[in-house]
Amino acid sequence: QLQLQGSGPGLVKPSETLSLTCSVSGGSVTSPAYHWVWIRQPPGKGLEWIGTIYYSGGTNYNASLTGRLMISVDKSKNQFSLSLHSVTAADTGVYYCARRPHGDYGIDFWGQGTLVTVSS
Amino acid sequence: QPVLTQSSSASASLGSSVKLTCTLSSGHTNYIIAWHQHQPGKAPRYLMKLEGSGSYSKGSGLPDRFSGSSSGADRYLTISNLQSEDEADYYCETWDSNSRVFGGGTKLTVL
Repeated sequence: QLQLQGSGPGLVKPSETLSLTCSVSGGSVTSPAYHWVWIRQPPGKGLEWIGTIYYSGGTNYNASLTGRLMISVDKSKNQFSLSLHSVTAADTGVYYCARRPHGDYGIDFWGQGTLVTVSS
Repeated sequence: QPVLTQSSSASASLGSSVKLTCTLSSGHTNYIIAWHQHQPGKAPRYLMKLEGSGSYSKGSGLPDRFSGSSSGADRYLTISNLQSEDEADYYCETWDSNSRVFGGGTKLTVL
């Protein structure tokens, strides 16, 4: 049974880097059948796609975050990670890791969210 | 990129039916979407993939009370025999080669 478990600091200072990891169990980040996705939800707002890392290792980022964002995979640990640089209060929210099947599909599995607050 | 529009709120009585709408922007009216349910404090749950033809495929274990349909730019999620646990936010999602977008979400209240 697939499980996605996000982890990382709950508090990040402005201008610093937000780093989160999603541990995958019951599945493999190297499977060609799936890609791995980060989504966030600011307080009181809707869902925002952050970016996707494909099984090939390629990435696709939200244009509004390109330049500050990096998503990577650690095959040895069966994890994928998010690094968002130069954060501001606008980056506060719940961050979700998720999976989507290869092909013309939406997200088909979500992990539990991680609340990140950007504050000094 | 596509834009998805949803009503901010909806309400219906316990045991009744409700039809939630997600509207695709002009030029993207044939896009496939996915519906997701988000209950407070929980991980969102994938409900179904819904095509412009009205064909849909549900996520694992989703009750028959949930169904999808389409008409033009509109994609619908119908929930029959509403239960208290259906009270949640419902989001639609779509995508193109460069991006993935979500609608603003509809907060469903079960009266």
